[in-house]
Amino acid sequence: DADVTQTPRNRITKTGKRIMLECSQTKGHDRMYWYRQDPGLGLRLIYYSFDVKDINKGEISDGYSVSRQAQAKFSLSLESAIPNQTALYFCATSDPGLAGTGELFFGEGSRLTVL
Amino acid sequence: QKEVEQDPGPLSVPEGAIVSLNCTYSNSAFQYFMWYRQYSRKGPELLMYTYSSGNKEDGRFTAQVDKSSKYISLFIRDSQPSDSATYLCATHGSSNTGKLIFGQGTTLQVKP
Repeated sequence: DADVTQTPRNRITKTGKRIMLECSQTKGHDRMYWYRQDPGLGLRLIYYSFDVKDINKGEISDGYSVSRQAQAKFSLSLESAIPNQTALYFCATSDPGLAGTGELFFGEGSRLTVL
Repeated sequence: QKEVEQDPGPLSVPEGAIVSLNCTYSNSAFQYFMWYRQYSRKGPELLMYTYSSGNKEDGRFTAQVDKSSKYISLFIRDSQPSDSATYLCATHGSSNTGKLIFGQGTTLQVKP
């Protein structure tokens, strides 16, 4: 089984619908992240969390919200999806002990299409 | 201007070629530099990291940082078809928060 699991892997929805992307991890890491990947723009940070009680906005948080339900679970919600939120979404974790390496452990991604 | 700029390619080379992938960055405070590799339909994986200026070698891969010109490079020797992937450079400052700043990614195809 993958260390970082994202569900769903693919989702097609309509404008205005509420969407939740879920992430769970078995690495035991406190730090979790949501990134968005778009062609030509690379990966951009949406939200990050350093523990269950800590939530922080990233570079592009508008239109998104998150919930850290447990150390192992971090969900991303789009309250009212719009077409320019069509993208590939990645959940990631990191270990503070590997601070210098900048190593993030990514899930396999959730491809979201908003029509 | 993006903080990290990377030519998205695509880059196509024959098997055995030497590949050079490059990024520039704008903030001289950046200290840590990484290269991630992303295969199709997969998440990125850390390939190499370096601290400050200099070279780091790992098998066929060499990462190079030139802080004076704010330029980072990844060289792949004897490229193989299995090296076909998207390569993303990334960086962060001295206080690691996991808030990496990524380049756009360069798509590489190595043809047999």
